[in-house]
Amino acid sequence: AQTVTQSQPEMSVQEAETVTLSCTYDTSESDYYLFWYKQPPSRQMILVIRQEAYKQQNATENRFSVNFQKAAKSFSLKISDSQLGDAAMYFCAYRRDFNTDKLIFGTGTRLQVFP
Amino acid sequence: DVKVTQSSRYLVKRTGEKVFLECVQDMDHENMFWYRQDPGLGLRLIYFSYDVKMKEKGDIPEGYSVSREKKERFSLILESASTNQTSMYLCASSLYTGGRFQPQHFGDGTRLSIL
Repeated sequence: AQTVTQSQPEMSVQEAETVTLSCTYDTSESDYYLFWYKQPPSRQMILVIRQEAYKQQNATENRFSVNFQKAAKSFSLKISDSQLGDAAMYFCAYRRDFNTDKLIFGTGTRLQVFP
Repeated sequence: DVKVTQSSRYLVKRTGEKVFLECVQDMDHENMFWYRQDPGLGLRLIYFSYDVKMKEKGDIPEGYSVSREKKERFSLILESASTNQTSMYLCASSLYTGGRFQPQHFGDGTRLSIL
């Protein structure tokens, strides 16, 4: 069975600094998607970034980028130039491709941003 | 923008009551999902639906049922609420297009307390 592990329950970063959130997963599939979702306090969960497993190039969205290591089954999220609005729960999620849109989520990392 | 609306942000019910959680999306998405979110456990899939009147069990369906009579509406039903069903419930929807599932969009969540 596929599993997603986020080993950091909480992280903190100073404004303008860089922080990396880790995520590892276990699967025997070769083609799949990985996602990072952000859930601000009392607000809606939104997609931050996604990575398709067959693409070797790491995905980037503005200040957010991933380090996708397929062989190591690792998918970390790097937030550069951290802002107060980045404070949230971050969830890593795995989706097997093709016939299913079922997501498997990690347990989340709470990110605090200090001024 | 996709809008996924959950009928209540907060709900308090009593043990043994039949509870309905409603979710409506306005973007003609085929796929709809119900998750529950608990601290330290992340999001876990309860039920999902790929079409009207179609439903499939997720990872933790026990004690729940669902109804999808119209494409835009997906209801989660707690047949006889119990205290261990106190949780945050999140609804999501997604589109299947171009041969691929698009990212899921989430509602604001319903924080349900069973007394």
